[in-house]
Amino acid sequence: TQLLEQSPQFLSIQEGENLTVYCNSSSVFSSLQWYRQEPGEGPVLLVTVVTGGEVKKLKRLTFQFGDARKDSSLHITAAQPGDTGLYLCAAKAAGNKLTFGGGTRVLVKP
Amino acid sequence: NAGVMQNPRHLVRRRGQEARLRCSPMKGHSHVYWYRQLPEEGLKFMVYLQKENIIDESGMPKERFSAEFPKEGPSILRIQQVVRGDSAAYFCASSLITSGQSDGYTFGSGTRLTVV
Repeated sequence: TQLLEQSPQFLSIQEGENLTVYCNSSSVFSSLQWYRQEPGEGPVLLVTVVTGGEVKKLKRLTFQFGDARKDSSLHITAAQPGDTGLYLCAAKAAGNKLTFGGGTRVLVKP
Repeated sequence: NAGVMQNPRHLVRRRGQEARLRCSPMKGHSHVYWYRQLPEEGLKFMVYLQKENIIDESGMPKERFSAEFPKEGPSILRIQQVVRGDSAAYFCASSLITSGQSDGYTFGSGTRLTVV
């Protein structure tokens, strides 16, 4: 079993639609990060959430950290083809080691 | 202001050969991490290093894999006697000296190893 479970694994939507990606765990984290990875490239940090219940917005992306700091969600409004990619949540469990979820592959069709 | 530099971008090795993957962290970053990614999967932690020290190698296979981060020069991930199952994308990341849990990583573009 993975420390961080992401769902769904794959999401295909039309341009202009909304989508939500989930990251869940049975563990409590002091912070959680979201990354986006495009084909052939390394992951790029989007946001870090630290406080339980925190909501952060990055243009059309909204990130939420659960009140108990065990889960997080990423919501994209009016998705565009440029939002296509692999979305990864990650958290530090023991030490300074970042552990990643399995990822959600998002495809936004024009 | 270069980011994390990895080379080569693509590496092809025959079974039994050695693969050497290099990573130069961002300027000022003293922590280096190596991850492996199989197609359609997330990133799996391999090893965490600081200059001249291995801090956590819990994700490294017990045999054939080694990593170093010397005082001078890039970090090296070495895979000896490669097998087809070693084919994957290997990513290096670096971070600042961290005093908190919220420091993000900066990733390189990866080395795609293909074993034929």
